[in-house]
Amino acid sequence: DTAVSQTPKYLVTQMGNDKSIKCEQNLGHDTMYWYKQDSKKFLKIMFSYNNKELIINETVPNRFSPKSPDKAHLNLHINSLELGDSAVYFCASSQAGTSGDWVFGPGTRLTVL
Amino acid sequence: AQSVAQPEDQVNVAEGNPLTVKCTYSVSGNPYLFWYVQYPNRGLQFLLKYITGDNLVKGSYGFEAEFNKSQTSFHLKKPSALVSDSALYFCAVREPGATNKLIFGTGTLLAVQP
Repeated sequence: DTAVSQTPKYLVTQMGNDKSIKCEQNLGHDTMYWYKQDSKKFLKIMFSYNNKELIINETVPNRFSPKSPDKAHLNLHINSLELGDSAVYFCASSQAGTSGDWVFGPGTRLTVL
Repeated sequence: AQSVAQPEDQVNVAEGNPLTVKCTYSVSGNPYLFWYVQYPNRGLQFLLKYITGDNLVKGSYGFEAEFNKSQTSFHLKKPSALVSDSALYFCAVREPGATNKLIFGTGTLLAVQP
């Protein structure tokens, strides 16, 4: 039983294309996140949703647009992909207001050619 | 702003020897501190956390960490390293407040030689 799942696992695409990454969690958590891990392995938060409401929006280009249809899903859509978008994108979930853990998905490796 | 620092990019240790991966933190208020591990081409796995209570926290795979308030440190330790412990280790702190944001250090690559 996968707690946090992401699709696809690998994504290879050309510059200028639009792509989406999907994330689902079955833990009953109310908060979900997108993190970006760059080539130096630095992990930086991009977005967070709590009960479908956007609560964190870090300095991310407008080409990135998260969407949360319900609290178990958080998708990431990227328009006009650029070379610098190549990275591993991790989805995570947690239960706000508790000392519980953040649970991470397996990651999506995006390569922009 | 809350932050954690991992001063070592890489730690090398021989199998069977004790290991320490260092982490220092800067937070306002009481810190919620975490350690995660990332194996090659894998996601992040939770190892352990400090919220309150005993300063020595035990976690998965025989790892433990010691919270030291006076030194603002939360070093990860293991008495006897295994080759299979070789991975990238991240220290993290939860930012207090409504955002519930987890902020990561830069990571330390642990290499255990047979």
